[in-house]
Amino acid sequence: AQSVTQLGSHVSVSEGALVLLRCNYSSSVPPYLFWYVQYPNQGLQLLLKYTSAATLVKGINGFEAEFKKSETSFHLTKPSAHMSDAAEYFCAVSPNTNAGKSTFGDGTTLTVKP
Amino acid sequence: DAGVTQSPTHLIKTRGQHVTLRCSPISGHKSVSWYQQVLGQGPQFIFQYYEKEERGRGNFPDRFSARQFPNYSSELNVNALLLGDSALYLCASSPSGQGLETQYFGPGTRLLVL
Repeated sequence: AQSVTQLGSHVSVSEGALVLLRCNYSSSVPPYLFWYVQYPNQGLQLLLKYTSAATLVKGINGFEAEFKKSETSFHLTKPSAHMSDAAEYFCAVSPNTNAGKSTFGDGTTLTVKP
Repeated sequence: DAGVTQSPTHLIKTRGQHVTLRCSPISGHKSVSWYQQVLGQGPQFIFQYYEKEERGRGNFPDRFSARQFPNYSSELNVNALLLGDSALYLCASSPSGQGLETQYFGPGTRLLVL
């Protein structure tokens, strides 16, 4: 069975500050990991995905995540927060054969203060 | 190009009723997945369909069923509604539902059961 845990249901940062959203996974097989963003009243949008090609993954909107097997983590970072980054972020893990059966964490709401 | 569309956007039902939710995938996408997102939680996988065949089912009761049509659109049906079925129902499409191809999510249908 696979699962993800997102530490911190709410994170608040100032505009221009570092964004760090935490995700730890549990998987009995090599995991495939994703970060999605959800804006109010919208569906989920893929930010980035880890597919074992590289441990540091760069995504859209300046976000990146690093896969650390020893820590079973896949934390999402962005060097400088923008007001437009305020949204809910979800980490997900999937069987290597099928991203369409993903297991999601409970999400982290990011607030960006001016 | 149109993204994934879902209808209706909002729905109010009473306990014991039946509901049908609809999803139209991106043109050319043959795989559709359904997710339930309860308030404050991440999406939970319900079904995946590909070429009208069920490819996977999550841990949901038999009250939940789905089907996919020759044009790859899909319906999610829920019978004997319970208060706990109140949630945002998300549909996601991908070209083949295989490997780690990106899933594209619709905006969801928000169901309220009274």
